[in-house]
Amino acid sequence: ELKVEQNPLFLSMQEGKNYTIYCNYSTTSDRLYWYRQDPGKSLESLFVLLSNGAVKQEGRLMASLDTKARLSTLHITAAVHDLSATYFCAVDVGTYKYIFGTGTRLKVLA
Amino acid sequence: NAGVTQTPKFQVLKTGQSMTLQCAQDMNHEYMSWYRQDPGMGLRLIHYSVGAGITDQGEVPNGYNVSRSTTEDFPLRLLSAAPSQTSVYFCASKEATAEHGYTFGSGTRLTVV
Repeated sequence: ELKVEQNPLFLSMQEGKNYTIYCNYSTTSDRLYWYRQDPGKSLESLFVLLSNGAVKQEGRLMASLDTKARLSTLHITAAVHDLSATYFCAVDVGTYKYIFGTGTRLKVLA
Repeated sequence: NAGVTQTPKFQVLKTGQSMTLQCAQDMNHEYMSWYRQDPGMGLRLIHYSVGAGITDQGEVPNGYNVSRSTTEDFPLRLLSAAPSQTSVYFCASKEATAEHGYTFGSGTRLTVV
């Protein structure tokens, strides 16, 4: 059974701290996407990772992909309140068919 | 461009009723997908389409039908609504390139009583 697992599911962190969200998947794929969702809103694309070793950075967020380990990470540096949201990874399992992880709800405390 | 437009935004159905959730995109995207989002379960793929006339099942297709008669439209039909179908439904579309992910609509919040 195909699984895309994220951990942690919930993350409460202080402003200024660093943390990493993990996305593990059980099938072969070299295409992985990260999305952000604010409460009651739709999903917004954050990162597109298309090969082993791919690394993308935007502001305080950095995403990476290790296709051999079937693992992607989303690293948060010096968190700020505006980063509070739910973050999803999604794996392309073929022909642009995306399977999403369960999401990580991040709350950054002032 | 309007992007991906979903209607209605909110809907309440009685058990056993049928309805169609509408989804339209104006970006000439080939690929379209329907997801449902439930608390603690992320987004689960219901059906998706790789182009007009071509659809395929996702992770949770039971109780839902789709068709894709045009590139722009991808309606999702609930045949006989059940309380288990209470959820937020998202439609998404993308072009045929891996460099861009799916663009999502604003969602339809459906309650089945």
